[in-house]
Amino acid sequence: ETGVTQTPRHLVMGMTNKKSLKCEQHLGHNAMYWYKQSAKKPLELMFVYNFKEQTENNSVPSRFSPECPNSSHLFLHLHTLQPEDSALYLCASSQEGLAVGTDTQYFGPGTRLTVL
Amino acid sequence: GNSVTQMEGPVTLSEEAFLTINCTYTATGYPSLFWYVQYPGEGLQLLLKATKADDKGSNKGFEATYRKETTSFHLEKGSVQVSDSAVYFCALSDRKGGSNYKLTFGKGTLLTVNP
Repeated sequence: ETGVTQTPRHLVMGMTNKKSLKCEQHLGHNAMYWYKQSAKKPLELMFVYNFKEQTENNSVPSRFSPECPNSSHLFLHLHTLQPEDSALYLCASSQEGLAVGTDTQYFGPGTRLTVL
Repeated sequence: GNSVTQMEGPVTLSEEAFLTINCTYTATGYPSLFWYVQYPGEGLQLLLKATKADDKGSNKGFEATYRKETTSFHLEKGSVQVSDSAVYFCALSDRKGGSNYKLTFGKGTLLTVNP
């Protein structure tokens, strides 16, 4: 595997279900991100992890719970979601630092989530 | 705060036509500028980037020049193909203090190329 991978690619869940999205980066990066892409809305940054520590939570509802066990893996745990949470969830990674090029984020293919 | 404004689509072209997608930005610092492309059903792929004024990013026939005087980063391609049909996002990367770099995206421009 190369780059950033995400599983599953598609997920349909009911409002009472609990599911998890998984992201894995094979780039040796130290920072990982979750974004939400809804139809006709700009990309929304949800969470940022730097060296496994959460450094940003952009006022995301608690029904979304991120987990970063190590610098290569990032999870998004979902519970009691609403239909308006249906979207494409994108994971990204970058190599944070002071050198040139450390501002570039690489994205996974996304998980298309549908909440019924 | 930072912002990115790109031309609204959709843009529809015939194959081999010249493409320009305009992008302008507002930033307080010295951001890097990016174009990402999203093909149908896929995530975002980095298309090209430029890190300082007058830099030209290029990839797969696409080009964009970082123009600080006009705060612009317009995407161009001399001859588009059907396979270029996708949504194109302009973005800037900046950071404040010790925080991570953050990407600010434009709303995206849908390009459709007809044979």
